[in-house]
This record gives sequence, C-alpha cells and structure tokens, in this order.
Amino acid sequence: DTAVSQTPKYLVTQMGNDKSIKCEQNLGHDTMYWYKQDSKKFLKIMFSYNNKELIINETVPNRFSPKSPDKAHLNLHINSLELGDSAVYFCASFGDRGSGEQFFGPGTRLTVL
Amino acid sequence: AQSVSQHNHHVILSEAASLELGCNYSYGGTVNLFWYVQYPGQHLQLLLKYFSGDPLVKGIKGFEAEFIKSKFSFNLRKPSVQWSDTAEYFCAVRRGGSYIPTFGRGTSLIVHP
Repeated sequence: DTAVSQTPKYLVTQMGNDKSIKCEQNLGHDTMYWYKQDSKKFLKIMFSYNNKELIINETVPNRFSPKSPDKAHLNLHINSLELGDSAVYFCASFGDRGSGEQFFGPGTRLTVL
Repeated sequence: AQSVSQHNHHVILSEAASLELGCNYSYGGTVNLFWYVQYPGQHLQLLLKYFSGDPLVKGIKGFEAEFIKSKFSFNLRKPSVQWSDTAEYFCAVRRGGSYIPTFGRGTSLIVHP
C-alpha cells in the first residue's frame, strides 16, 4: 500500500490556468507538508499543516493555497499559473515529533507552458 | 536561523570507489539528523537517521553516517559505490521538538560503471 500518494503524477497546463494537486497519507500522521523542487533539485518547503491547522507558510505567492479537509489529506491549489511555477511538487507526512522521519509522496511534475 | 550545508554539489566516481559526502549544520541544540536519497525520477527515501546513542549510524544499502557533535557534522559514507547509487543525496536536520526539518541543497552523485 502506498503510504503517501499524490495525483496527478504529471500536469501540463497553460499559463493563467488554475490547477490542484491532491495528497493523501494512510500512515495516521498528524503533520503534512508541501515542498517545491526546482530544476536544480533544491527542495523548498512551502506549507506545513498539523491536525488540519496551518503551522508554517513560507514565502510563497498567495496564488498557492493549501487545503486540509482532514488530517489525512493536504491539497494544493494554484491560481493563475506562471511559467516559474514549473517544478516537481512533493507532499510529505510526519508522525512523531520526537523521533520520526518524513515520508514523501511520488511527486507531481508541473509544467506550465 | 538554522542552516544545513552540503559542500559537495556534484560528485562523480567510478564503481568500487569510496564515497564521503559532507553535511554541516548550524544549530547548537538537540538535533535529529537524516540522509535521504532521491533516485532519478523518484521521490525522497530515507537512507538513515540519527536521534541519540551511537554516533555511527548504519543505514540501508551499505551506507553509514557519523555524527560528530563538536564539528556539527553528519557525513555520509559508503566504502564501495555501485552504479545503482547514482542519485541525489539530501542531508536534513530537525531541531528537537520541531515539526520542520531544514534540508541541504543536495549532492548529485554519478557513479560510472
């Protein structure tokens, strides 16, 4: 069973469109994250939610809006897509503040044309 | 602010060569330390982690890392690399009690057969 899943795996769209990426984890974890990985493989945290509450919101354009309907899901909605949004987006989860590692989803490769 | 430095951005080795990737961090308190690997086109997976105890940590696929507190370092080693070790390697540090790890910029390892 996939621990952290994301859909879609690939997303190709035009500038100006609005799109969403979905993430689900079946690990029972309380904390979920969104990361953006650029073409140089740099991994940048965007958001983190704990028990459906936003706990970190790094410097990200407000075109990006996370939504957590329950603690197993953290979706990412992006408005008015721009060329610079092209990247791989990874969802991750974390279950134990004291000793755990993060579990990453397979990634969503977003290409904005 | 906490930072994580991976000094080797690109490493190219021949099979059977020994590997050491450097990781230094700036936070002086209790830390949890991680090395993740990202194979081409895949997501990040945990190689090994350190929380407490023996500073020499053994991970999967023959990797090990040594935590040297006085040097704020957590270098990754493997005595003999294989072509299949070609991947991106990320060091991550999480302050004790925090939800949010800080990732290094990654090291790209290419192993020639």
